[in-house]
Amino acid sequence: EVQLLESGGGLGLRGGPLRLSCVGSGFLFRNYPMNWVRQAPGKRLEWVSAISYIGGDTYYADSVKGRFTISRDDSRNTLYLHMNNLSAEDTAVYYCARNDHGDYGVFDYWGPGTLVPVSS
Amino acid sequence: DIQMTQSPSAVSASVGDTVTIACRASEDINTFLAWFQQKPGKVPKRLIYATYRLQDGVPSRFSGSGSGTEFTLTITSLQPEDLATYYCLQHRHYPFTFGPGTKVDLK
Repeated sequence: EVQLLESGGGLGLRGGPLRLSCVGSGFLFRNYPMNWVRQAPGKRLEWVSAISYIGGDTYYADSVKGRFTISRDDSRNTLYLHMNNLSAEDTAVYYCARNDHGDYGVFDYWGPGTLVPVSS
Repeated sequence: DIQMTQSPSAVSASVGDTVTIACRASEDINTFLAWFQQKPGKVPKRLIYATYRLQDGVPSRFSGSGSGTEFTLTITSLQPEDLATYYCLQHRHYPFTFGPGTKVDLK
């Protein structure tokens, strides 16, 4: 069974850093592109970042470019989101989501999410 | 960036009704369009990918259509468990973008 589990959420300080992790199991993690998606309270889903299955290609939403870094450690089946210079607008539930194989295999599995409230 | 819009923003319907949700992209996205269902307090779930392909396990009362810039999600014979917010997503180009969502509730 495919499972994704995020961790690392919790109170973030404005201007400060935070690192999120997502561990995948039940599939060959290294073969799949991965994403972070977030949802602020009462708001729409927002794609944040993606990383290719080799890890050489990364992509970011304009709202986080230059502040967030996505990475992966395939030896640990783990996806990371390194967040810096946090702002109140980063307050959200952060989900990791897998892309299945093929051009259309977007977000086929999601983790339960981890809440990141940002406070001053 | 490609902007996604949805209409209506909310719809009230009765059990057994057919509900249609429209999604529009600001530029041609071919068929790189997926639909997600999110029940209150729950994780989003993919319903449809590649515009019309049904995710395994999703009831056949859900269907998708469209191409280019105009897309539709149809729920035939609405069931109580379909009460949720539905989002479309374009993944033709980065940054991927979601629509604002359509909330479906019971009349």
